Amino acid sequence: GIQVEQSPPDLILQEGANSTLRCNFSDSVNNLQWFHQNPWGQLINLFYIPSGTKQNGRLSATTVATERYSLLYISSSQTTDSGVYFCAVEQYGGATNKLIFGTGTLLAVQP
Amino acid sequence: NAGVTQTPKFRVLKTGQSMTLLCAQDMNHEYMYWYRQDPGMGLRLIHYSVGEGTTAKGEVPDGYNVSRLKKQNFLLGLESAAPSQTSVYFCASSDSSWQPQHFGDGTRLSIL
Repeated sequence: GIQVEQSPPDLILQEGANSTLRCNFSDSVNNLQWFHQNPWGQLINLFYIPSGTKQNGRLSATTVATERYSLLYISSSQTTDSGVYFCAVEQYGGATNKLIFGTGTLLAVQP
Repeated sequence: NAGVTQTPKFRVLKTGQSMTLLCAQDMNHEYMYWYRQDPGMGLRLIHYSVGEGTTAKGEVPDGYNVSRLKKQNFLLGLESAAPSQTSVYFCASSDSSWQPQHFGDGTRLSIL
């Protein structure tokens, strides 16, 4: 099956710094989503982005489907950005929104 | 605006006991999913449903059963709990195939 790899596995930032998280996938996809799991365990959908670029406030994401990767940018990081960021995909041809998750990037933003 | 609600939030079981986890969504979504999350890992799909009365297996279905008798509810059952099923269980829903998934707050389940 499709493999999803995220990097880096861990990241420590000072408040105000910028960061880029990467998601590589091993096969074509028609569905890619980014999630944030906060320190209380809640999962929030950040982006549905099978291709192209989207922005939401200080966060933006870009997926280059032909090269099988996606990037999540966090600008001017805040302590509330701390948590785990997951990338999840559905292999091309699927139509049930069944997601395969990466193992995540653990982000700690220090004041 | 409740979204996806999971019941209970915490539960401790003894090996061999049975229980049912309830997921309810008020967004009129067609698709619903059950995942489990183990330490240091991403989420793995247990079962899913693409509409009322339908269910299908995900990546790790063994030891679990599901039912979707009503569109808004998706039940996950453990017939005979095992310590390997100790995990955090998440329910999610989406409007259709290519739409964002929205998650409940999770159920932390411990099997002794």
